[in-house]
Formats: sequence, structure tokens, C-alpha cells
Amino acid sequence: AQSVAQPEDQVNVAEGNPLTVKCTYSVSGNPYLFWYVQYPNRGLQFLLKYITGDNLVKGSYGFEAEFNKSQTSFHLKKPSALVSDSALYFCAVYGNNRLAFGKGNQVVVIP
Amino acid sequence: EAQVTQNPRYLITVTGKKLTVTCSQNMNHEYMSWYRQDPGLGLRQIYYSMNVEVTDKGDVPEGYKVSRKEKRNFPLILESPSPNQTSLYFCASSPWEMNGDTQYFGPGTRLTVL
Repeated sequence: AQSVAQPEDQVNVAEGNPLTVKCTYSVSGNPYLFWYVQYPNRGLQFLLKYITGDNLVKGSYGFEAEFNKSQTSFHLKKPSALVSDSALYFCAVYGNNRLAFGKGNQVVVIP
Repeated sequence: EAQVTQNPRYLITVTGKKLTVTCSQNMNHEYMSWYRQDPGLGLRQIYYSMNVEVTDKGDVPEGYKVSRKEKRNFPLILESPSPNQTSLYFCASSPWEMNGDTQYFGPGTRLTVL
């Protein structure tokens, strides 16, 4: 069965610094990968996805993610973090008609 | 406005009292799904449906039922709720694509079972 791992429970970063949220995946066949963000008391919002093509995927709010097939990773990045980026981030992989989510990473951007 | 709606948003109930959480989408999506979110466990899929009258189990289906009689609605039924079903529940929908297209999530239902 497909799965994702998000190794860090929380990521702290100073405002203006680069932000990276890590994700590794396991799936049979071609990987279809997603990042979602959840703000407090809200549902999940789509950020970006990798289906095929360029390994660097650009998404909403200045986020991007790099697909690395050899390392089975799909890390989320933002060059300069904002306080408003503080939220819970989920990586997900699609397989067998279902989307499997990781445990989530709490990102705290410190002013 | 394209959206997924869930009702109720908050519910406190007692063990054994049947309840239904409704989910409706206005985007004509084929695929609908229910998830529960628990601290440290992320989102886990309960049930999903690829179209009307087509439903299947996700990772944690025990204690839940669903139905898909109409394309827009996908209610989640707890026949006899128990305290371990206290959780935050999300409904989601997406166009049916083999690569798993972007899912649109409802605002969530916070359920407490006493």
C-alpha cells in the first residue's frame, strides 16, 4: 500500500528564512504526489502536485516542491517564509484509487 | 461558489446514539471521500466513492457506513458511536482521474462522543 513519511513533527523557522518541509513516499508504479496546507480551524487546501514532467513544481503562495525519484522524496520549499505561513502541512501520495496522507508537519514561523 | 459543505460543524453526542454527518458538493465531482484527523496520526481515509452507488473501504472503516445515492451527497453514518470515534472529520471531493486529481475539502466536523 502507498504511504508517506513526514519525519519532523514541527519545523521552526525565522521569518524571511528559507522553509523546507520534508516528505518521503512509498508507492508502486508512478508516484502522484501532493502537498496540502491546513490553517487553524479550516479544512485542507491544495498547494501543489507532481504528476509528471519537471521535477520542480511550483504552487500557491510562493511554495514549490522538488521531486526526487532516486531518494523517493518530495520536499516542500519556500525561499522566504512569512508569519502567515504558520500552519499544518500534509504530504500525500495517490495509489489504488486512494490518497494516503502523512502525519503532518506543524510549521511555526517566528517573527 | 464551488464548495464542499458539511453539517453539522460541531456535534456532541453520547455512546450508542446513531448520527449522520452530511456532505454535499456542487462541482459535479465523481469522487468523494471521508477522512478523520487525529493528533499525531494525520488524515486517515474512512470510505470513498468513485461514483453513484459505488463505495469502498478506506483505511479505518470500522464503525462507519456511507451511501452514495446521488452524485452530490455522501453522508457518513455512525450507527452506534463510541468514544474512540471522537475526532475531526473531513469530507472531500474531486473529479475522477486515474492520477488522483486535486481534492477539495469541506470545513470539517468536530465530533465528540461521550
